Amino acid sequence: GAVVSQHPSWVICKSGTSVKIECRSLDFQATTMFWYRQFPKQSLMLMATSNEGSKATYEQGVEKDKFLINHASLTLSTLTVTSAHPEDSSFYICSAIGVATEAFFGQGTRLTVV
Amino acid sequence: GNSVTQMEGPVTLSEEAFLTINCTYTATGYPSLFWYVQYPGEGLQLLLKATKADDKGSNKGFEATYRKETTSFHLEKGSVQVSDSAVYFCALNSNDYKLSFGAGTTVTVRA
Repeated sequence: GAVVSQHPSWVICKSGTSVKIECRSLDFQATTMFWYRQFPKQSLMLMATSNEGSKATYEQGVEKDKFLINHASLTLSTLTVTSAHPEDSSFYICSAIGVATEAFFGQGTRLTVV
Repeated sequence: GNSVTQMEGPVTLSEEAFLTINCTYTATGYPSLFWYVQYPGEGLQLLLKATKADDKGSNKGFEATYRKETTSFHLEKGSVQVSDSAVYFCALNSNDYKLSFGAGTTVTVRA
């Protein structure tokens, strides 16, 4: 299947700093990318949907000013966690959809805010 | 709204045992149903899917049948291997490609 690469795989940052997570579709053009968050022993929760060249659509309860999403090209979307706090520590996963309409997932990013 | 309820784990089995993971859903309209698998250290991979009632998805010896009357999509495998150890997620989407996931079931297969 198609490959989606997410970087970094894990990151530790200090409280108050910002962290950027990248999601790249390596061998297809992703018209839509999704960002999910997974708390320990819980399911994946959709945070936002991003379409190339337009503003992201956030799910209810997700702070758009805290979780900045940019989908500048058909192969790259970024999620920036701004002014991170310990409660933002989580596992973040992206998925990408192209013409095949099947969602391909990145390997996830483990964020720990200390 | 859409929701998925999945059998809680963890599940520990011996090799060649029969595996069942229950999944039921609530959705408006006619969703597509999926099982995803996450091997240690890797991202989610699509294991199988079914897009309409009575469809059976199958892959790598795993099967699941879309049962509209019971709103279920239970995952089964007749003889598991150690390499099947992973976390399994049941999921659904309607027509907007947004996925709603179950909580995930951790399966450990012992030799």
